[in-house]
Amino acid sequence: GAGVSQSPSNKVTEKGKDVELRCDPISGHTALYWYRQRLGQGLEFLIYFQGNSAPDKSGLPSDRFSAERTGESVSTLTIQRTQQEDSAVYLCASSFRGWDTYEQYFGPGTRLTVT
Amino acid sequence: GDSVTQMEGPVTLSEEAFLTINCTYTATGYPSLFWYVQYPGEGLQLLLKATKADDKGSNKGFEATYRKETTSFHLEKGSVQVSDSAVYFCALSPLGGGGADGLTFGKGTHLIIQP
Repeated sequence: GAGVSQSPSNKVTEKGKDVELRCDPISGHTALYWYRQRLGQGLEFLIYFQGNSAPDKSGLPSDRFSAERTGESVSTLTIQRTQQEDSAVYLCASSFRGWDTYEQYFGPGTRLTVT
Repeated sequence: GDSVTQMEGPVTLSEEAFLTINCTYTATGYPSLFWYVQYPGEGLQLLLKATKADDKGSNKGFEATYRKETTSFHLEKGSVQVSDSAVYFCALSPLGGGGADGLTFGKGTHLIIQP
């Protein structure tokens, strides 16, 4: 079946502009996650949704970052007034909260470049 | 806070060599541990996992044992192939839920297998 999809695959934006990144999880997956991977670094956890509520927003790096999720479907990550340090690959993952396993399935990522 | 440390790369080996990629972690409680792999041009995939002390995760000839006494989860394979060339990430889930919440990742180890 279809995996996690993300769009756009690449985004180049000017410093100070707002960007929206989209994630389509696997159908039926109740949990959705956003991560950021900066060059040469591991993945940083940003935010987690269970359904359309976000019990854990602890990883959002600043108030310029926000995320929404519609039901158990699409999520958007919005970065306002982008800065050069926001340049990274943004990865989305989804999982099904089964009784013993919560494997996270990752999308291909959106590469964001802020010039 | 929680952290994962894995050996820096790139690691270059010849085909059929023995592989070890070290991973140690710092976490409170009883985390679940994971190895993810990212093949060239593809998204992150779960390679194997272990959810409690002394568990051994295995897949595709790779193995890792959850060692609580040494807080380690080293990845091993007895005979590597060129097709194993990829970036390998060690990760933990802090709540022991098998990955229900945001994962903490290491920086990744780039493995290069030469024919």
